[in-house]
Amino acid sequence: GQNIDQPTEMTATEGAIVQINCTYQTSGFNGLFWYQQHAGEAPTFLSYNVLDGLEEKGRFSSFLSRSKGYSYLLLKELQMKDSASYLCAVGSTGGFKTIFGAGTRLFVKA
Amino acid sequence: DGGITQSPKYLFRKEGQNVTLSCEQNLNHDAMYWYRQDPGQGLRLIYYSQIVNDFQKGDIAEGYSVSREKKESFPLTVTSAQKNPTAFYLCASSPVERGSTDTQYFGPGTRLTVL
Repeated sequence: GQNIDQPTEMTATEGAIVQINCTYQTSGFNGLFWYQQHAGEAPTFLSYNVLDGLEEKGRFSSFLSRSKGYSYLLLKELQMKDSASYLCAVGSTGGFKTIFGAGTRLFVKA
Repeated sequence: DGGITQSPKYLFRKEGQNVTLSCEQNLNHDAMYWYRQDPGQGLRLIYYSQIVNDFQKGDIAEGYSVSREKKESFPLTVTSAQKNPTAFYLCASSPVERGSTDTQYFGPGTRLTVL
């Protein structure tokens, strides 16, 4: 079967660092995406990993371990506007389907 | 400005009525997608289209229909056969470069409520 697991909710403090984990079991793997989605709005692209290791982009970094079926999104210097859902998604091989996780709702408090 | 538009943002319909959700993009993307999002669940793929005049069923196509007569447009019809149509519907598009690894760009969504 195909499954993506991520925590339902997390809370962190403004200025802190938070790590959102994602584990996946999919039939084929063709890259892993992280999207940010504010309530009632469209998801927006944050990062894409296809090789093992860490990709850094400003305050956000994403890590991938293909052998472990594991990724995390690291958010540094948290701001109130980072309060949103973070969706982990895996691209499948042999087609155009992307499998999305249920998302992690992050609450940033002052 | 390039982007994807969906209209309307909120839609109310009576049970038993068909309703069509609009999705237009001017990003010159070949691929377009329709997803459904329910609370506590990930995005579920309804239909996708890689090219004009061709489309494929996703994981939850029953009760839905689509057309792709133009590259820019991919309307979704929610028919009366859909048992639980109340949901947030998201349209997306992507270039056809890497297939499933292409970044998808999402529209603002339509929240459909069936009364």
